[in-house]
Amino acid sequence: KAGVTQTPRYLIKTRGQQVTLSCSPISGHRSVSWYQQTPGQGLQFLFEYFSETQRNKGNFPGRFSGRQFSNSRSEMNVSTLELGDSALYLCASSPKEGWSLVVPEAFFGQGTRLTVV
Amino acid sequence: AQSVTQPDIHITVSEGASLELRCNYSYGATPYLFWYVQSPGQGLQLLLKYFSGDTLVQGIKGFEAEFKRSQSSFNLRKPSVHWSDAAEYFCAVEDGSSASKIIFGSGTRLSIRP
Repeated sequence: KAGVTQTPRYLIKTRGQQVTLSCSPISGHRSVSWYQQTPGQGLQFLFEYFSETQRNKGNFPGRFSGRQFSNSRSEMNVSTLELGDSALYLCASSPKEGWSLVVPEAFFGQGTRLTVV
Repeated sequence: AQSVTQPDIHITVSEGASLELRCNYSYGATPYLFWYVQSPGQGLQLLLKYFSGDTLVQGIKGFEAEFKRSQSSFNLRKPSVHWSDAAEYFCAVEDGSSASKIIFGSGTRLSIRP
């Protein structure tokens, strides 16, 4: 079974530009979450999508947005890039569909390393 | 609000020595707790998880963790570390408000002394 695939792996953008990152979840997983990892702030939750609907959102400005397609693939977009947006962006997929007696596991991709110059 | 604290930023142990990484959580009810490992340039891999039941949880790669409600702790242990265990380790708790958000600790970097 293929794991979570994130593309591209590395990206360099200029301040003020916008960027789109892609995440393909494990087949059958309908929940996709995004996280930002920086040396200063650590791992922070961005948002989660389930069945094409945003189910939860972290404390990030509106420049960060996402969407999920009918095949569960997800994209996140960052507009008007700032230097502080340089980070490793991780996507995780999960089979969870809500509260369950079985603890769902989130499977992470290798991430997209975004550098803003 | 839920939170996770990993008090040790960096730990160095000798190969073959035992390891314990500390984790304290703040959560009102029974938490879903996790330990993840991240190798340089890689994503996160789940080592083990706790939801309920037996407070000693076995994971992959020879790791185990013990849930202690009285101490709000979920420490990770390994009896004998290998050089390949050098990585960053994250303790995490699932946010109870939505069941869809994981809150991570700041991580502990593990170095192995030959």
